[in-house]
Amino acid sequence: EAQVTQNPRYLITVTGKKLTVTCSQNMNHEYMSWYRQDPGLGLRQIYYSMNVEVTDKGDVPEGYKVSRKEKRNFPLILESPSPNQTSLYFCASRKERGNQPQHFGDGTRLSIL
Amino acid sequence: GENVEQHPSTLSVQEGDSAVIKCTYSDSASNYFPWYKQELGKRPQLIIDIRSNVGEKKDQRIAVTLNKTAKHFSLHITETQPEDSAVYFCAASIYSNYQLIWGAGTKLIIKP
Repeated sequence: EAQVTQNPRYLITVTGKKLTVTCSQNMNHEYMSWYRQDPGLGLRQIYYSMNVEVTDKGDVPEGYKVSRKEKRNFPLILESPSPNQTSLYFCASRKERGNQPQHFGDGTRLSIL
Repeated sequence: GENVEQHPSTLSVQEGDSAVIKCTYSDSASNYFPWYKQELGKRPQLIIDIRSNVGEKKDQRIAVTLNKTAKHFSLHITETQPEDSAVYFCAASIYSNYQLIWGAGTKLIIKP
């Protein structure tokens, strides 16, 4: 089954404790992206990757890091999480360029205390 | 860069009536316009999309129209049902640019 898998689905942690949210897709998609979703603010892109070893900032990259060492994986790293990073996070992937459907993971709800 | 505005932010309609959500975009080079539905606590899912060489596309009770001159596109849902209650997002992208620019979302409420 074609899918985007995120882990963990839920995480409660404390300020300053490094964490990684993993994302993996099995569709051989070149393009992958991370979004955060906050009430009333819609989907805001954090980082995206056009292919292996190619990443770029989205609209809200501060406080986040990403890497793309393999085509299928695109982890999101919070080196020193803060409460304002409490949010619902989605990973997404898409084949090739712009006008292709984007597939989302089931989301990760992060709470930073 | 591209900017997408979506209206209304909340839409309440009687079950069985039609619902229309509108989006405007700023970049005339945009050529792909998807619509996503997000049910409470779930991931956004593509419900319909349209490319700039087409003016209208239908899929059962859902249709999308595109006016390239005016730079706006709309989602039409006919004969609304309780399961249509969700948040709907529009987006726009340019083929040569990997970015999807998103609208802020519309919460659709279907009243019984």
